[in-house]
Formats: sequence, C-alpha cells, structure tokens
Amino acid sequence: DAKTTQPNSMESNEEEPVHLPCNHSTISGTDYIHWYRQLPSQGPEYVIHGLTSNVNNRMASLAIAEDRKSSTLILHRATLRDAAVYYCILRDYSSNTGKLIFGQGTTLQVKP
Amino acid sequence: GAVVSQHPSRVICKSGTSVKIECRSLDFQATTMFWYRQFPKQSLMLMATSNEGSKATYEQGVEKDKFLINHASLTLSTLTVTSAHPEDSSFYICSARDETGLHNSPLHFGNGTRLTVT
Repeated sequence: DAKTTQPNSMESNEEEPVHLPCNHSTISGTDYIHWYRQLPSQGPEYVIHGLTSNVNNRMASLAIAEDRKSSTLILHRATLRDAAVYYCILRDYSSNTGKLIFGQGTTLQVKP
Repeated sequence: GAVVSQHPSRVICKSGTSVKIECRSLDFQATTMFWYRQFPKQSLMLMATSNEGSKATYEQGVEKDKFLINHASLTLSTLTVTSAHPEDSSFYICSARDETGLHNSPLHFGNGTRLTVT
C-alpha cells in the first residue's frame, strides 16, 4: 500500500477553519484517498473520501491536488468535538481486499 | 446508517484465560471483516482479515493460534484471545464494509473492546 505522510499534531481555535494536509507522492491510479478520525476511546469514524475531484459532505471537504500527490481535509468551522486523531489513508480497490492500513495520523487540538 | 456493534466494550480477565470478542454488522451483510489492535498512544494495527465461511488471513507477525477468528455468518465475526497475558492488554477494534454498496464504500468501525489482562 502506498504511504501517506501527515503532521503529528495541529492546533486550531474553535469556530475557525482547519486545513489538515496529507502527502501521498507514491499514490497509484487505483488509490482512493480516505479520511477517518478517531475520538478518544472510540473506533475510527469515516469522514470523507475521493479519487480525483474535490469532495464535500456534511462533515468536511476534501481538496485533492491536480497531480494527486497531496490532499487537504478541510473542517470549515472547528468545534471542540472535532478534537481527534485524523487519518489519511490510501485504499487500493484493484486489490479487492478493501483493508485499511493506518499511519500515525494528525492529532488535532481545538482550543476554546 | 450502517452500524457495527462490538461486545463487550470492556473486559478484565486473569492471565492464562481466554476472552471472546464479538463483532456484528447490524443492518448489512459482510463477507469480510477486519480486526485491529491499538496500544495506548499508537495507531491501529491490522491483525487479520476475517472471511465468512473460510479461514482468516493474518498479517505478518500475528499468531493465528493465539488470536482465533471465526466468521460463521454474514453478520458476525468473533476474535478469541487465547491464554491471555498482560502484554495482550490492548484496545481491539473490528470493522466491516457494506458490500452491497459501491466498491469504494467506506469501512464502518465498532467502538472497540478494551481488554485488560491481570
């Protein structure tokens, strides 16, 4: 599986936008970019995913670089409940296993 | 939305005993489920892929005789930690994908089982 690189930690103020970066320079054509987050003592939660085009849903937006070697998860207005570890994961659908390999993720702290 | 339920949420057992953890997909069928383990302040580590009606596929370094996986139905997979020792104390998490959806549909995760071996 292609590897992703994320900053270990980031801080944000409540009600401000947050941009969480992810580098994936070895991404292949069949890799989708998935984002999950994990709140303390809980299982991961799906946030968003995309292939080439930018994506929006009720939780966040995903901006994908034109060369697909990086992406950014955007939380438009951070709340205290958004404090979590955010994982950027590449998922290869050509392999058909569907498994996710987690990296270290970015720990997001949200200050009131 | 799709929900994955894990039971129990917490368990404490004595060293040398076995513990069974259940993972159920509540409103969808899953021929494949995944088991992860997470130590404090670390990321999730994939242990094995559970396959309905066949043997599980274990990741390198995971002892299949210690971590027994059974996937007897399309909605239930179990992980049994046999002869547990304190070093097996960890947070165990299962996940599954609704396979009736698109092939790139996301995984749904259970809320995890906190195992403490004394």
